[in-house]
Amino acid sequence: AQSVTQLDSQVPVFEEAPVELRCNYSSSVSVYLFWYVQYPNQGLQLLLKYLSGSTLVKGINGFEAEFNKSQTSFHLRKPSVHISDTAEYFCAVGRSTGGFKTIFGAGTRLFVKA
Amino acid sequence: GAVVSQHPSRVICKSGTSVKIECRSLDFQATTMFWYRQFPKQSLMLMATSNEGSKATYEQGVEKDKFLINHASLTLSTLTVTSAHPEDSSFYICSARDTLNTGELFFGEGSRLTVL
Repeated sequence: AQSVTQLDSQVPVFEEAPVELRCNYSSSVSVYLFWYVQYPNQGLQLLLKYLSGSTLVKGINGFEAEFNKSQTSFHLRKPSVHISDTAEYFCAVGRSTGGFKTIFGAGTRLFVKA
Repeated sequence: GAVVSQHPSRVICKSGTSVKIECRSLDFQATTMFWYRQFPKQSLMLMATSNEGSKATYEQGVEKDKFLINHASLTLSTLTVTSAHPEDSSFYICSARDTLNTGELFFGEGSRLTVL
């Protein structure tokens, strides 16, 4: 079974400041890792994903994440945030075999202040 | 990217009635679809895995007789909330896995169910 922990429930940050949203996971099998963003009353949008290869993954809207196998982490970063980045961010872990069951972390609310 | 369509986006029903939510993969075949439930300001909880042509696999604690799932074709899965009650009010989201075997999920935009 796999699990995923998002260490911060809320992250307030000023506009144009850098931000890091933390995600740790555990799994007994190989996994894929994802970050999704959800704006109010909307579905989920994929920001980026790690399937294999380079551990530094670049996504949309200037976000990037680094897969660290030894620390079982997949933290999301952005060097300079905008007001429009205010949203809920979910880290997800999916099995790479056997049905691809994917579970989500509890979410981190990013709040960008002017 | 791949598109998953979910319908209806919002539905209001009376207590005791049944509601069907459809999830369609529009430009790819999905042998596996997943249904999630999201309570306000909470994460997504996996309810069940829907496999084309076979019975759905439900997560622990999810009532299979309450939440009927059918995956009759490679592009359509349906979730029926039977005899709905106010506590079933929630945001239901489906996702579909493409057959390229990447494991990536494509999500529908969700269906907000309100049971009066």
